[in-house]
Amino acid sequence: NAGVTQTPKFRILKIGQSMTLQCTQDMNHNYMYWYRQDPGMGLKLIYYSVGAGITDKGEVPNGYNVSRSTTEDFPLRLELAAPSQTSVYFCASRTTGGRNQPQHFGDGTRLSIL
Amino acid sequence: AQTVTQSQPEMSVQEAETVTLSCTYDTSESDYYLFWYKQPPSRQMILVIRQEAYKQQNATENRFSVNFQKAAKSFSLKISDSQLGDAAMYFCAYRSSNFGNEKLTFGTGTRLTIIP
Repeated sequence: NAGVTQTPKFRILKIGQSMTLQCTQDMNHNYMYWYRQDPGMGLKLIYYSVGAGITDKGEVPNGYNVSRSTTEDFPLRLELAAPSQTSVYFCASRTTGGRNQPQHFGDGTRLSIL
Repeated sequence: AQTVTQSQPEMSVQEAETVTLSCTYDTSESDYYLFWYKQPPSRQMILVIRQEAYKQQNATENRFSVNFQKAAKSFSLKISDSQLGDAAMYFCAYRSSNFGNEKLTFGTGTRLTIIP
């Protein structure tokens, strides 16, 4: 059981470039999330999804887009990379059964914008 | 808006000893959920323990236990018999019980070092 898988693990982008961070989970979880973690800080929610075809903004959505065409996949798109988007990005998922259910996290993607 | 504060950026403990990590939070809600996550150098966020605010009994998971003081809005983590594998960043997190509020609010973390 792989859990939450993120690719790539590391990436360097130039300012203005675009890329997609991939996230897939094999636990049949309806809820999926994208967070960013800046140095010395906790995680902040970028976007989340409560099921295929449904997405919503989190705390820091500017500069990002998401889509959710399947239950398994929840890609995060950066259209015009900016230095302020240098961060570690985490994808997470959780089951629908009860709001006390914890989120399961991937290993993160370290992204540097130069 | 809810906030989570971890006032100890770094802590250290001798192997086999006990250590307590502090967490306080601010909310106007009466029902919510609290979590402690561990982030080792591998970066993965791993759930350590969780607490439902409506439960008076403190949660325990093997060597990990919490001291949940709802009136004081305090949620500390106690690690007993510390092991080298416990070395990591520890994050306290809050989630509302309100339907539609999916935000998990994290503190800034406490780096725990285990001294052999």
